[in-house]
Amino acid sequence: KQEVTQIPAALSVPEGENLVLNCSFTDSAIYNLQWFRQDPGKGLTSLLLIQSSQREQTSGRLNASLDKSSGRSTLYIAASQPGDSATYLCAVCGNNRLAFGKGNQVVVIP
Amino acid sequence: GAVVSQHPSRVICKSGTSVKIECRSLDFQATTMFWYRQFPKQSLMLMATSNEGSKATYEQGVEKDKFLINHASLTLSTLTVTSAHPEDSSFYICSARDRATSVEQYFGPGTRLTVT
Repeated sequence: KQEVTQIPAALSVPEGENLVLNCSFTDSAIYNLQWFRQDPGKGLTSLLLIQSSQREQTSGRLNASLDKSSGRSTLYIAASQPGDSATYLCAVCGNNRLAFGKGNQVVVIP
Repeated sequence: GAVVSQHPSRVICKSGTSVKIECRSLDFQATTMFWYRQFPKQSLMLMATSNEGSKATYEQGVEKDKFLINHASLTLSTLTVTSAHPEDSSFYICSARDRATSVEQYFGPGTRLTVT
C-alpha cells in the first residue's frame, strides 16, 4: 500500500522567503505525482502534475521536482506572498488511484 | 475548462436520515469519478471509484450499503449516505477523470456534512 508523507506538517515564513515543501512515498511504481493547494473548508486546486518520466515541472513561482527512485518530490515556491497561505497536498497516482499525504500547512506572514 | 461541481456545499441533517450529494463534471465527460472523505487536518481517503454504467468499487473498510454510489451518466455521480450518524460527519470531495485525456483528476469544491 502506498504511503505518502509530507514534512513539515506546518510552517510559517515571512513574506518574500522561498518555501520548500517535501513529499516522500514508499512505492516508486507511480504513474504521476500531483501537488494541490487547499484553502480552509474548500476543495483542491491542482498546481502541478509531474509524469513519472519527468524530473520537474514549473509554473510561475512554483517548481516541483520528482525523484522517483528515491521516492521524493519537492515543491518550491519562490518569493512567498501572504496569498500563498494554504495547505499543500502531495498526491501520488498508481494502480488507478491517488494516495494523498496529510499536507503541509503554510502561513506566510506579511 | 475542467470544472467539477458538488451540491450541496454544506448540509446539516439529523441522525438516521439519508443525505444525497451530487457530483457533476460541467464541461467534460467523465467515465470515472472518485469519492473521498477528509477529516480535519487529515489526508483525503479514497472511499470508492465509480465507473459510468457499472457498480462502484469500494475501498476496504467502506460499507457499500452505507455509502450508495450511482454513476448514471458521463457527467453525474451521486453519493448517498444512508441512515447517517454523527461519525459520518466529514468533508466529502469528489473528483472526475476526463474521458478524453484519462490522466488528470479534477476535484469538486467539497461537501461539508454535519450529522446532529
